[in-house]
Amino acid sequence: SQELEQSPQSLIVQEGKNLTINCTSSKTLYGLYWYKQKYGEGLIFLMMLQKGGEEKSHEKITAKLDEKKQQSSLHITASQPSHAGIYLCGADTAGGFKTIFGAGTRLFVKA
Amino acid sequence: DAMVIQNPRYQVTQFGKPVTLSCSQTLNHNVMYWYQQKSSQAPKLLFHYYDKDFNNEADTPDNFQSRRPNTSFCFLDIRSPGLGDAAMYLCATSRVKLGKGYNEQFFGPGTRLTVL
Repeated sequence: SQELEQSPQSLIVQEGKNLTINCTSSKTLYGLYWYKQKYGEGLIFLMMLQKGGEEKSHEKITAKLDEKKQQSSLHITASQPSHAGIYLCGADTAGGFKTIFGAGTRLFVKA
Repeated sequence: DAMVIQNPRYQVTQFGKPVTLSCSQTLNHNVMYWYQQKSSQAPKLLFHYYDKDFNNEADTPDNFQSRRPNTSFCFLDIRSPGLGDAAMYLCATSRVKLGKGYNEQFFGPGTRLTVL
């Protein structure tokens, strides 16, 4: 079965600093999703990547899917306290009806 | 605004006392999912409905049941909650078309279940 490993598990950064979160899959990725979860709440969709080498940006968050489609990175530029939360990557399983998730990266931003 | 609503946000029940969690959506999505998320863990899919078709995950305990009386509503029934069932329960929806190739999901805020 496919597994997603995220690194680091947690991250503390000073406000204004850049950071990167990684998501590595045990199998080729056909649809890779990034979600953000505020503590004790549901997941909010950020971005979806499908093609090898694809890169998408939303405000100060950029996500990339590598050419081999087994790893994705999420990069936040000039972090702000509003970026704090749990970032989860998700991947489509065969058939596309179900998504498996990584355990998440907990981001803390110090003001 | 179209959204996914979960009630209640917090539920406390006693060991072995049946409990029902509800989810409603105004997105008119054809697929609804129930996930269990324990602290510091990935959301774990329990089951999903594709329209009226129920799809149970192989490792979902029989203690967990679900009902989808119409497109908008889906319920999670825990027949005899144990201490290990304390978790956040997340409902999500998606508009899935065969061969579409992707599956963006919209999540509700979750129900945090405490079992005493």
